[in-house]
Amino acid sequence: KAGVTQTPRYLIKTRGQQVTLSCSPISGHRSVSWYQQTPGQGLQFLFEYFSETQRNKGNFPGRFSGRQFSNSRSEMNVSTLELGDSALYLCASSHGQAGSYEQYFGPGTRLTVT
Amino acid sequence: GESVGLHLPTLSVQEGDNSIINCAYSNSASDYFIWYKQESGKGPQFIIDIRSNMDKRQGQRVTVLLNKTVKHLSLQIAATQPGDSAVYFCAENPWVEGAQKLVFGQGTRLTINP
Repeated sequence: KAGVTQTPRYLIKTRGQQVTLSCSPISGHRSVSWYQQTPGQGLQFLFEYFSETQRNKGNFPGRFSGRQFSNSRSEMNVSTLELGDSALYLCASSHGQAGSYEQYFGPGTRLTVT
Repeated sequence: GESVGLHLPTLSVQEGDNSIINCAYSNSASDYFIWYKQESGKGPQFIIDIRSNMDKRQGQRVTVLLNKTVKHLSLQIAATQPGDSAVYFCAENPWVEGAQKLVFGQGTRLTINP
């Protein structure tokens, strides 16, 4: 079974631009969660989508948004990029149902904002 | 509030020795805990998990211990190998109305000395 895939793997953007990252979950998984990883803040939860609905949200500004498609693939968008948005963005997939809690991570997208 | 932290940021052990990585959590309502391993340039890799109705769970060369009284979690790795060198994260997953949200500790960097 293929793992979680994320595209692109690396991205360089300038301040003020916007960016869209993509995540394809493990086949059969309906939940996709997004995390931001930085050296200073560690791994922080952004949001979770299940069956095309945002089910949970972390403490990030509205510039960070996401969506999920009917095939469970998910995208996250960051608008008006700031230097502090430079980070590794990770997505994780799971079945998303009670009794099945394991989340599996993709390799991440390394975003650099200059 | 929710927070998961680690006692030590770095740990060095001799190859073949056992290692213990500790973690403290603050949300007594959390009922699910996970350990992840993250190697350089990769996403977190699931190691082992434990539900709050258990005190101990064993995997291949790894054991997770949960002490709910003092809100402490530990990961024991037996007979460490060079491939065990990585950053290890504990995380809690408070299952709130079906939503999933991992709260991560800061991580411990484990170095295996030959």
